[in-house]
Amino acid sequence: EIVLTQSPGTLSLSPGERATLSCRASQSVSSSYLAWYQQKPGQAPRLVIYAASSRATGIPDRFSGSGSGTDFTLTINRLEPEDFAVYYCQQYGYSPLYTFGQGTKLEIK
Amino acid sequence: QLQLQESGPGLVKPSETLSLTCTVSGDSISSSAYYWGWIRQPPGKGLEWIGSIYYSGSSYYNPSLKSRVTISRDTSKNQFSLKLSSVTATDTAVYYCARGAAEVEWGQGTLVTVSS
Repeated sequence: EIVLTQSPGTLSLSPGERATLSCRASQSVSSSYLAWYQQKPGQAPRLVIYAASSRATGIPDRFSGSGSGTDFTLTINRLEPEDFAVYYCQQYGYSPLYTFGQGTKLEIK
Repeated sequence: QLQLQESGPGLVKPSETLSLTCTVSGDSISSSAYYWGWIRQPPGKGLEWIGSIYYSGSSYYNPSLKSRVTISRDTSKNQFSLKLSSVTATDTAVYYCARGAAEVEWGQGTLVTVSS
């Protein structure tokens, strides 16, 4: 069973700063099958990045994804107030079919 | 435009069976090459995939829940359903129905509380 470990658990930053979120897999994951989601309180998750580095529709270009193999990164430049949320990475294809990381909470400092 | 709408009881008693239905509009669950499934999120916690049914009818379950889960579909109504048996308080969660390929598209979610 593949396990995704996100770090840090909580990231405290100020608007205008850069956020770097990490997702590490217990075994190699195809870049095509690694996604990132943003979740705000009381809402369903929203796709931010798919295929490790492609922005989803409507996602501003301050969001970027990178990585391969077992190490993936979500970077958010010039944080805006609406970016503060919980972010999850997700892989597809191994058993279980979908696995999520435990989440990184991005909070306002 | 894809819409996924969960429905079902918001309160289930311990040891009973949780049953939810997802009504899909904007796509066909039997002809579109996606997985149609369920993901849950306990209050204040992370996301857990429960299981999915492929457009062909094949089902896939999370090994940790497999013994208690059944996912089925009614193609005439363009709906799919979740049954989770022998529930306990730890099954209290927001349950999302979803369409998945490599990425997941989500319903709005429905809170199910397990309590007597």
